[in-house]
Amino acid sequence: GAVVSQHPSRVICKSGTSVKIECRSLDFQATTMFWYRQFPKKSLMLMATSNEGSKATYEQGVEKDKFLINHASLTLSTLTVTSAHPEDSSFYICSARASGISEQYFGPGTRLTVT
Amino acid sequence: GNSVTQMEGPVTLSEEAFLTINCTYTATGYPSLFWYVQYPGEGLQLLLKATKADDKGSNKGFEATYRKETTSFHLEKGSVQVSDSAVYFCALSPQTGANNLFFGTGTRLTVIP
Repeated sequence: GAVVSQHPSRVICKSGTSVKIECRSLDFQATTMFWYRQFPKKSLMLMATSNEGSKATYEQGVEKDKFLINHASLTLSTLTVTSAHPEDSSFYICSARASGISEQYFGPGTRLTVT
Repeated sequence: GNSVTQMEGPVTLSEEAFLTINCTYTATGYPSLFWYVQYPGEGLQLLLKATKADDKGSNKGFEATYRKETTSFHLEKGSVQVSDSAVYFCALSPQTGANNLFFGTGTRLTVIP
């Protein structure tokens, strides 16, 4: 149990376009979802926290207008990278947590390459 | 501030060898400490955790002891198997139940037969 999926696993897009990444909890209801970003040979950095039905809370230094997060249902959150640029190329990982549970369950990640 | 430093890999070991992956941390207050493992093509999975000083987390033959005096949480296993090949992440949460997880850079372990 407690499986989280991400789609797509890899995406290549052109500079200036927008890309949407989906994160789904497959067998539990995720009241909270988290989005992380990982640069090569660096730690995972928390970007934002989203609770179902409310606006996401962004970490300091993360542009909310660039990284749009929607958590419209208890099993789906989306991250849209708007007007992507090469410096947005990275590995994006989501995690999900059920109500009353402290453990986060992680998705396999999405590698974004902006050309 | 809060941060985690873990040994850089990659680490390559023969089957049945002893494993140590070092992890030290900096934190304000009394953090909880975690080891996560990521197998190829899968998401991070919680391997073990410890929530207070001197606690020992253990799972699947892996162990780590929360050492406040040395601010360390080193991961050990007495006899590794090929199936242990994965990337291991040390992480801390500034307080129990907090949203924030601060991760180390990850250490890739390859176990050869």
